[in-house]
Amino acid sequence: DIVLTQSPALAVSLGQTATISCKTDQNVDYYGNSYIHWYQQKPGQQPKLLIYLASNLASGIPARFSGRGSGTDFTLTIDPVETDDTATYYCQQSRNLWTFGGGTKLELK
Amino acid sequence: EVQLVESGGGLVQPGRSMKLSCAASGFTFSSFPMAWVRQAPTKGLEWVASISFDGRNTYYRDSVKGRFTISRDNAKSSLYLQMDSLRSEDTSTYYCAKDDGYNNYFDWWGQGVMVTVSS
Repeated sequence: DIVLTQSPALAVSLGQTATISCKTDQNVDYYGNSYIHWYQQKPGQQPKLLIYLASNLASGIPARFSGRGSGTDFTLTIDPVETDDTATYYCQQSRNLWTFGGGTKLELK
Repeated sequence: EVQLVESGGGLVQPGRSMKLSCAASGFTFSSFPMAWVRQAPTKGLEWVASISFDGRNTYYRDSVKGRFTISRDNAKSSLYLQMDSLRSEDTSTYYCAKDDGYNNYFDWWGQGVMVTVSS
């Protein structure tokens, strides 16, 4: 199984930049694509797709969200952070079956 | 608009069975793979099982192999998860998710259904 590692929590001030990392224990690139996707989950709600294939913004997602990375190191950036962004963020790989990272809880300072 | 509505959850004793259903609408169900993802209370997301668009191919996480069966009825636009020999560690909210069909990310999710395994 491919293991994805995320930091458990991050605190950022309103209007600042949040950078959430996701590291995989195996390369998730294949034929020019990185099979890493990002989801946002607010308390009591289902997850919502934010970014697919490492850097592509999902439909309806604000441009404040962006993703980058390749190989085994990936980041989700929120710039600037708004109040509504307090949530838990998960990375997921689909290179070999499916696994999720443990999630990063974003809080406001 | 895509809608995924799960049903069939509740309280069940260890060792017993339960079947979850997911009613899909707003897209051509028969054209897309589907999946079940679960989340134990206060824990993270965990992929459970996936099924190809035509139902011919199924995939499971190791901890549920031989106990859970994913299936679909394309004529009814419905996805199912038959859960047998349930254990306390299967206690979770179970989400039905639509696979994009090409890069295998989950672009739509249901609201989830709670399954509690307890005596």
